[in-house]
Amino acid sequence: NAGVTQTPKFRILKIGQSMTLQCTQDMNHNYMYWYRQDPGMGLKLIYYSVGAGITDKGEVPNGYNVSRSTTEDFPLRLELAAPSQTSVYFCASSTGTSGDTDTQYFGPGTRLTVL
Amino acid sequence: AQSVAQPEDQVNVAEGNPLTVKCTYSVSGNPYLFWYVQYPNRGLQFLLKYITGDNLVKGSYGFEAEFNKSQTSFHLKKPSALVSDSALYFCAVSVGNFNKFYFGSGTKLNVKP
Repeated sequence: NAGVTQTPKFRILKIGQSMTLQCTQDMNHNYMYWYRQDPGMGLKLIYYSVGAGITDKGEVPNGYNVSRSTTEDFPLRLELAAPSQTSVYFCASSTGTSGDTDTQYFGPGTRLTVL
Repeated sequence: AQSVAQPEDQVNVAEGNPLTVKCTYSVSGNPYLFWYVQYPNRGLQFLLKYITGDNLVKGSYGFEAEFNKSQTSFHLKKPSALVSDSALYFCAVSVGNFNKFYFGSGTKLNVKP
């Protein structure tokens, strides 16, 4: 049981390039989330999904897109990378069976730098 | 609007002494509160949560947290700090049916030998 896995661990992008951050969970969790963590700040929710085919925006969705075609995978897409997207990105999941009392489980993160 | 505040950027404590990391919240509805710990270059690890019931919640690694509704606080505590407790600690509140988390800005805990 690997939990939540993310790839890549590190990435450097040039301004205007695009990339996809991968996230996979093997816990059969219904809910999945993407957060970004900027230095000295807490985590901010980018997008979330409550099941395959269902996604919605969080606090800071601009510049990102997501899809959820399977229960296990929740990729985050950056279409036109900007320096403001330099951050550490975390994927998380929860069962979705207890609503807002569920514990979220986090992946190890992807450190992205846009130059 | 929902919010979580961690008023201290950093807390310094000597090994063996008790530690407290502060958290206050502002939510509409019932507060469901969580503490996570982050070690360098790692993801967040769950420590404990308050849902309902006893105001003192016990969690992993000897940590506990006290929920105080009148003061809207959820402070993290440990009776005797270890050097290995040095890390970044985050308080979070879960809002709404879809378990969306709002995080505080984090508190760096330094435990000195």
